[in-house]
Amino acid sequence: QAVVTQEPSLTVSPGGTVTLTCGSSTGVVTSGHYPYWFQQKPGQAPRTLIYDTSNKHSWTPARFSGSLLGGKAALTLSGAQPEDEAEYYCLLYYSGARVFGGGTKLTVL
Amino acid sequence: QLQVQESGPGLVPPSETLSLTCIVSGGSISSNDYYWGWIRQPPGKGLEWIGRIQYTGNTNCNPSLKSRVTISADRSKNQFSLKLSSVTAADTAVYYCARDTHLEYWGQGILVTVSS
Repeated sequence: QAVVTQEPSLTVSPGGTVTLTCGSSTGVVTSGHYPYWFQQKPGQAPRTLIYDTSNKHSWTPARFSGSLLGGKAALTLSGAQPEDEAEYYCLLYYSGARVFGGGTKLTVL
Repeated sequence: QLQVQESGPGLVPPSETLSLTCIVSGGSISSNDYYWGWIRQPPGKGLEWIGRIQYTGNTNCNPSLKSRVTISADRSKNQFSLKLSSVTAADTAVYYCARDTHLEYWGQGILVTVSS
């Protein structure tokens, strides 16, 4: 089974910009992996921010965007807010199965 | 507004079968457009995708769990279910059901503890 890798932790200043990445042990991440991004705060269920690389749900703040960058999927947060401090997970698709990354703990400080 | 809600026992003895049901309201599982899935999260750890089903019975499963997982759908009750056999303490987790397509609708999760 493929392994999906994320940065264990990142820190961003309020109002700053940060990019989280999602890599695959099988090689380059493409749109065919249909990358998803989730936000999870303590004690809450995950909330989907991005699906299929760059599509947003109605509740996804405009400051979040998804893309493919340097062979990986990427989630960029532009103008970080204190409420963006959370765990972020990516999810990739492999021929019928999906695999989560290990998560990135984002601190806004 | 579509809602999904997990139900089932919160305590399962080791070596037994974990059985959970996801009740879907505000929408039908009988659509070719959607898959319905299960995800779990051990306490303090990350998310793990378990598998998904389309109402036609087409399923996909995590290869690492495939030998122990059965996912089924009941159109008449508008619900789908998860069975995980031969459980151990490592299967203790919060189990979520969700509409797998676009993953926009999640249940609140149910903690299942494997213990005697």
